Amino acid sequence: QKEVEQNSGPLSVPEGAIASLNCTYSDRGSQSFFWYRQYSGKSPELIMSIYSNGDKEDGRFTAQLNKASQYVSLLIRDSQPSDSATYLCAVGGGSARQLTFGSGTQLTVLP
Amino acid sequence: EADIYQTPRYLVIGTGKKITLECSQTMGHDKMYWYQQDPGMELHLIHYSYGVNSTEKGDLSSESTVSRIRTEHFPLTLESARPSHTSQYLCASFTGAQSSYEQYFGPGTRLTVT
Repeated sequence: QKEVEQNSGPLSVPEGAIASLNCTYSDRGSQSFFWYRQYSGKSPELIMSIYSNGDKEDGRFTAQLNKASQYVSLLIRDSQPSDSATYLCAVGGGSARQLTFGSGTQLTVLP
Repeated sequence: EADIYQTPRYLVIGTGKKITLECSQTMGHDKMYWYQQDPGMELHLIHYSYGVNSTEKGDLSSESTVSRIRTEHFPLTLESARPSHTSQYLCASFTGAQSSYEQYFGPGTRLTVT
């Protein structure tokens, strides 16, 4: 059974701070890693993908992958109240086959 | 403009009825997926398709079927609805390689089985 675990929330950070979201996975053969943002009552939206060890930056978002530790994280710099949402981690095989999702971490950015 | 449509958006139906949830995308994406999500919970894969006439079962596929006759269309059929099927159903399309992925989710169908 492939498992994806996310750090339990809810997580609250003040506006302008760095929010750190973490995710671990059980399948060592996983090759693709994704972060989604889901606002309450809305569908998920893809914000970051990463497939090789190290960091990948996109604007205020940085995804970090460590395959040896089976760990992927998402950093949100200069957090804004509009970043308040549930963040889902998903892990899959090559070409994003069969993504397994974590249960999400709810983030609240306080003004 | 990228878009993915799901109909109906809301459905209340009695136990034992056969229902089809519709999903269409305008982007020409090769991969399409059906997920089930209860409030505050993770997404569970029901079925997926990597192209026309290609479908695979996910973890929750036992009581449903899908078809992929056209690239843009990926309907999900529940042969006999049960109260345990009450949930949010999300359709998604996906394309790209490791350097650049695109994925879009539809707005969802909220199904209630009485």
